Amino acid sequence: DGGITQSPKYLFRKEGQNVTLSCEQNLNHDAMYWYRQDPGQGLRLIYYSQIVNDFQKGDIAEGYSVSREKKESFPLTVTSAQKNPTAFYLCASTTGTGRNEKLFFGSGTQLSVL
Amino acid sequence: EDQVTQSPEALRLQEGESSSLNCSYTVSGLRGLFWYRQDPGKGPEFLFTLYSAGEEKEKERLKATLTKKESFLHITAPKPEDSATYLCAGRTGSGNQFYFGTGTSLTVIP
Repeated sequence: DGGITQSPKYLFRKEGQNVTLSCEQNLNHDAMYWYRQDPGQGLRLIYYSQIVNDFQKGDIAEGYSVSREKKESFPLTVTSAQKNPTAFYLCASTTGTGRNEKLFFGSGTQLSVL
Repeated sequence: EDQVTQSPEALRLQEGESSSLNCSYTVSGLRGLFWYRQDPGKGPEFLFTLYSAGEEKEKERLKATLTKKESFLHITAPKPEDSATYLCAGRTGSGNQFYFGTGTSLTVIP
C-alpha cells in the first residue's frame, strides 16, 4: 500500500545533541512538508520541498535543517540550536496540482528531551 | 496575513445530537480548503477538500460546506467513534503553503 512512513515513533534527545527524523513516501509525490504540532496550537510549517534538491523555510525553521536528495525521502534534523524541541512532528506530501489534491500525513514522531 | 481560525475549541455532544464546527479563513488566493480528522498520537486523516463557494461534500455522518469566508463541518447524529480533533487548513494560491487552524476537539458521549 502507498503511504508515508515516519520513523521512529518516539525519539529522545539529550542536550546538545542533533537528532534526525526520517520521512519516506512511495506515493510518487513531488511536494513534501514538515510540520510541528504542540498541544493547543495548530500545525506550524518548518520546511517544505517542491522538487528534489530544493527546499524552502517555513514559519519556524530556526534550529532545524532538511535535505531532499531523493524524491521519496525528506529527513528532518533537529539541531542543538533548537532549544525547545519537545513536540509531535508530522511529515506530509502532496502531488501539488489539480482539483483533487490531497495532503497526506505520516503517523508522526514524538520527540522529547531527556 | 494568511490565517485560519476554528471554533469552538472543544465541543461535547450527546450521541445523536447534531452540530457544526466552524472554520473561518483569510487566505490569499485560496486554492482549496481541507478538513482532517486527528486521533490522539496519530497523523491527521484526510476528509475533504473544497474549492468553490457553495461546494458541499459528504462522507457518512459528515458534511462539509464552503462560503467565501468560512467553512462548516456538519456532524449529523454523531456516534462516540466520531470523537476526535477536527482540523481545517487553507491552501494558498501561491507559495504552496497550507495554513492550519488549531482544531476543534469533539467528544461524543454515549
